[in-house]
Amino acid sequence: KQEVTQIPAALSVPEGENLVLNCSFTDSAIYNLQWFRQDPGKGLTSLLLIQSSQREQTSGRLNASLDKSSGRSTLYIAASQPGDSATYLCAVRGNNAGNNRKLIWGLGTSLAVNP
Amino acid sequence: EAGVAQSPRYKIIEKRQSVAFWCNPISGHATLYWYQQILGQGPKLLIQFQNNGVVDDSQLPKDRFSAERLKGVDSTLKIQPAKLEDSAVYLCASSLETGGLGKLFFGSGTQLSVL
Repeated sequence: KQEVTQIPAALSVPEGENLVLNCSFTDSAIYNLQWFRQDPGKGLTSLLLIQSSQREQTSGRLNASLDKSSGRSTLYIAASQPGDSATYLCAVRGNNAGNNRKLIWGLGTSLAVNP
Repeated sequence: EAGVAQSPRYKIIEKRQSVAFWCNPISGHATLYWYQQILGQGPKLLIQFQNNGVVDDSQLPKDRFSAERLKGVDSTLKIQPAKLEDSAVYLCASSLETGGLGKLFFGSGTQLSVL
């Protein structure tokens, strides 16, 4: 059974710092992995989607990497800004048909970027 | 491109009352999801539609929850009767790809409080 863990649960950094959020998963047979951002009281915004055949994806100041063999993904945020403050969730989709194709979610990392 | 629309934004009801949520996905997206997100947890899939057919409703409490997507476009999720533990944010999401294997786009959610 796939389990997704995100560490740390909360992170507070000063503005301008580069930071890394971690996501680990127990079953390496994945179809893809997505990183989402959630602002308080709002829905989720998809940031990056990495297919199982890819090693990384980049969008602006965000870079997500994927290492299936070790069951890990990292989200790198460069030059953090107060507007980056939000909860970041990782979700993994399995590679087998049926219920294994369901998205399995981590609990998220709550990020605060202080001016 | 218009995003996923959800209404209402907030709803407060008393236990044993009924409530309905509405979702209109992004135009052309065949896959529609309803998720329940309790504070501090990741989203929990309630039901997944592919056009107007149900793909997965294994975690939908069918004694009180129902959902439909009659014409394969917009969708309604109903709770009758509501319980205190149904207090959560109800998120609708859609995906372009068949089987919903690609990027998910979420609406802003409906925050439900059951008193």
